[in-house]
Amino acid sequence: EVQLVESGGGLVQPGRSLRLSCTASGFTFGDYALTWVRQAPGRGLEWVGFIRSKAYGGTTEYAASVKDRFTISRDDSKSIAYLQMNSLKTEDTAVYYCTREVFDYGSGSYPFDYWGQGTLLTVSS
Amino acid sequence: SSELTQDPAVSVALGQTVRISCQGDTLRNYYASWYQQKPGQAPVLVIFGKNNRPSGIPDRFSGSSSGNTASLTITGAQAEDEADYYCNSRDSSNNYHVVFGGGTKLTVL
Repeated sequence: EVQLVESGGGLVQPGRSLRLSCTASGFTFGDYALTWVRQAPGRGLEWVGFIRSKAYGGTTEYAASVKDRFTISRDDSKSIAYLQMNSLKTEDTAVYYCTREVFDYGSGSYPFDYWGQGTLLTVSS
Repeated sequence: SSELTQDPAVSVALGQTVRISCQGDTLRNYYASWYQQKPGQAPVLVIFGKNNRPSGIPDRFSGSSSGNTASLTITGAQAEDEADYYCNSRDSSNNYHVVFGGGTKLTVL
């Protein structure tokens, strides 16, 4: 059974840093891109960024709202993806989900087929 | 960056058919995926690609696309289908980025 479990959320002051983890099981972690998606309280889903598999360079992409502040990394030996968040702002307050991205060859689409339960980050003084 | 636009709220009578739409120029280049999110839960993928359902998703859920519009159709809506629905796709203005629609709250009457 595929599982993604986020951890590391909590209350942090503006300007501080925090690292979230996403621990995966039930699939070959290294074969997949991992994406972080967040959801502010009462709001919609927002793409944060993703990290490609090592087969595709293990490189990363980020939304403009977090670029240069957030960094995604992965440890395939431990089946864990990380989201390092620096210079946190109150508007970063959200539930953070990690998701597994797949590529559908038939349509050329990139759906997120499995999601973790999310971890809540609250940025407040 | 591209945008995807969804109606904020839609309602349907129990057992009837409802269509939820998602509009954006990026959909001329990419298929949308659709996610169902119930209160306090993580999103669940319900439709992807041309019209594909992951294992375990009832066949009353279907997807279609035309031009810049993607649609999610629920044929014979059930009470348990009441949820928020989000579309997403790659962003054609930056093919490595992803964009989500604002979400549609579906009420089953």
